[in-house]
Amino acid sequence: DGGITQSPKYLFRKEGQNVTLSCEQNLNHDAMYWYRQDPGQGLRLIYYSQIVNDFQKGDIAEGYSVSREKKESFPLTVTSAQKNPTAFYLCASFGHMNTEAFFGQGTRLTVV
Amino acid sequence: ELKVEQNPLFLSMQEGKNYTIYCNYSTTSDRLYWYRQDPGKSLESLFVLLSNGAVKQEGRLMASLDTKARLSTLHITAAVHDLSATYFCAVDIKGDDKIIFGKGTRLHILP
Repeated sequence: DGGITQSPKYLFRKEGQNVTLSCEQNLNHDAMYWYRQDPGQGLRLIYYSQIVNDFQKGDIAEGYSVSREKKESFPLTVTSAQKNPTAFYLCASFGHMNTEAFFGQGTRLTVV
Repeated sequence: ELKVEQNPLFLSMQEGKNYTIYCNYSTTSDRLYWYRQDPGKSLESLFVLLSNGAVKQEGRLMASLDTKARLSTLHITAAVHDLSATYFCAVDIKGDDKIIFGKGTRLHILP
């Protein structure tokens, strides 16, 4: 079955560490997006990518980095420069000119 | 800068009643999305609206889009408890491919 997979489901980070969140899709979608959700809040756009080897900053890109070396994969690195990284991170893929839209199950990141 | 505003942000209603959630946006858009989120879970896609006047229905939910007014509505008919969730609209900025979300409408349906 086609789908979008995020891992891990839960992640704990110590102060000053970089961590990488995985997002993989087998839907053959071109576009992939990363969002951050804080408790009781909406989703805020971190980065997005329409094609391999190209990506754009969203509204809250500071302290994050991404890569898009393969169509199927769009990992997000939360760097030590992100001062308040505790949040729920959601990856989405969109296909057929953004008419098909799917989200992964999310990664809950906590700073300890 | 695109703004996406949903209202109401919180809605408590009785089973069997009808209600509408509104989504206004501030710039030209090609596509409008509606999602459902249950507590602690990811988002589930409900509808993708692609053109002015588009209307889609699934069960007790019906979504519509008016691109001239920059307004989408999500109408709930004869609400049931299982529809309790947070509903988000999202807008695809034309020519940019940014997809921006509203703050969500938390819907609580009383049995």
